[in-house]
Amino acid sequence: SYELTQPPSVSVSPGQTARITCSGDALPKQYAYWYQQKPGQAPVLVIYKDSERPSGIPERFSGSSSGTTVTLTISGVQAEDEADYYCQSADSSDTYYVFGTGTKVTVL
Amino acid sequence: EVQLVQSGAEVKKPGESLKISCKGSGYSFTTYWIGWVRQMPGKGLEWMGIIYPGDSDTRYSPSFQGQVTISADKSISTAYLQWSSLKASDTAMYYCARRGYRANDGLDYWGQGTLVTVSS
Repeated sequence: SYELTQPPSVSVSPGQTARITCSGDALPKQYAYWYQQKPGQAPVLVIYKDSERPSGIPERFSGSSSGTTVTLTISGVQAEDEADYYCQSADSSDTYYVFGTGTKVTVL
Repeated sequence: EVQLVQSGAEVKKPGESLKISCKGSGYSFTTYWIGWVRQMPGKGLEWMGIIYPGDSDTRYSPSFQGQVTISADKSISTAYLQWSSLKASDTAMYYCARRGYRANDGLDYWGQGTLVTVSS
């Protein structure tokens, strides 16, 4: 079955930039979405359609796409950004969705 | 205000059946797809399937096809996830989520989650 691969963890100092990648063979054909999940909470959509930001999401969150890799960038990281982040997309036939393996962002 | 309110935590024994719910409010329930997501303890998110309450069109992830049943009752704006025979490995948090109006809008609203514990 289709898989999306993310690095298990990313560490970043406050004010610096965090970049989280997500790789999958169908990403050139399918949009990607990013969700933030804090402990004990439901996920929150932070990026849709590769690079669009929902209302209410801070501008420091941005997304980009290049070939089989999409990237979530958090500029000027704040302590409150410490969370797990998941990418999500669809298989090449648009038959079902899949989540990435997840990345834990630690703010040092 | 859009809300998805899920049913409460469940403790069941292996082999028992279970149906959990997700009630939508604050929007037109029949015109948005509702998806279900599993999160096993300490693990990542897993896509289970999705239903369009307007006509009950349902799509399952290959990993969950035949393992669960997703349904909806549009008369009471509620989606369901059910098991006919639970296993210990079904122990997890289950979330419902609304897909935005357009196919590429993402999962824009989530329920609070239902914790299912299966133990003898």
